[in-house]
Amino acid sequence: KQEVTQIPAALSVPEGENLVLNCSFTDSAIYNLQWFRQDPGKGLTSLLLIQSSQREQTSGRLNASLDKSSGRSTLYIAASQPGDSATYLCAVRPNGNTGKLIFGQGTTLQVKP
Amino acid sequence: DTAVSQTPKYLVTQMGNDKSIKCEQNLGHDTMYWYKQDSKKFLKIMFSYNNKELIINETVPNRFSPKSPDKAHLNLHINSLELGDSAVYFCASSQTEVATQYFGPGTRLTVL
Repeated sequence: KQEVTQIPAALSVPEGENLVLNCSFTDSAIYNLQWFRQDPGKGLTSLLLIQSSQREQTSGRLNASLDKSSGRSTLYIAASQPGDSATYLCAVRPNGNTGKLIFGQGTTLQVKP
Repeated sequence: DTAVSQTPKYLVTQMGNDKSIKCEQNLGHDTMYWYKQDSKKFLKIMFSYNNKELIINETVPNRFSPKSPDKAHLNLHINSLELGDSAVYFCASSQTEVATQYFGPGTRLTVL
């Protein structure tokens, strides 16, 4: 059974710092992995999607990496800003059940001005 | 120009009642989903529809019945509401079953 874990559960950093959020999954048989952002009381916003054959994806100050064999993904945020404060969720899409996303419990990030 | 919309945003009701949540997407996507986010913020898939056809049903009690009248709509009807049904319910859609999913703003259901 696929399980997704995100560590740490919460993180507080000063503005301008570079940071890394971690996601691990127990079954390496994934089709792709998606990172989302959730603001309080709001829905999820897709940030990056990495296919199983890819090693990384970049969008602006965000870079997501994927190491399928070790069951890990990281989301790197460069030069963090207070507007980056949100909960970041990692989700994997298993092979053979591609319509389904399995989510981690998220890392809540606070960037202090 | 809302991509995925849900109504209502908040729903407060008594135990035992029947309620519906509506979802519409204007993205032209083929696949739609319902997720439940519990009090610990854990997000779990409930149902998935592709071209109005049910493709995922994740051991959800049969009190929950999704209905897809057309590709742009996926509604969720809940019978005999229980306290444990209190959660935030999110609708989502994607172009295909493997593509990026786009989420609605959520419906916060409170069962008293």
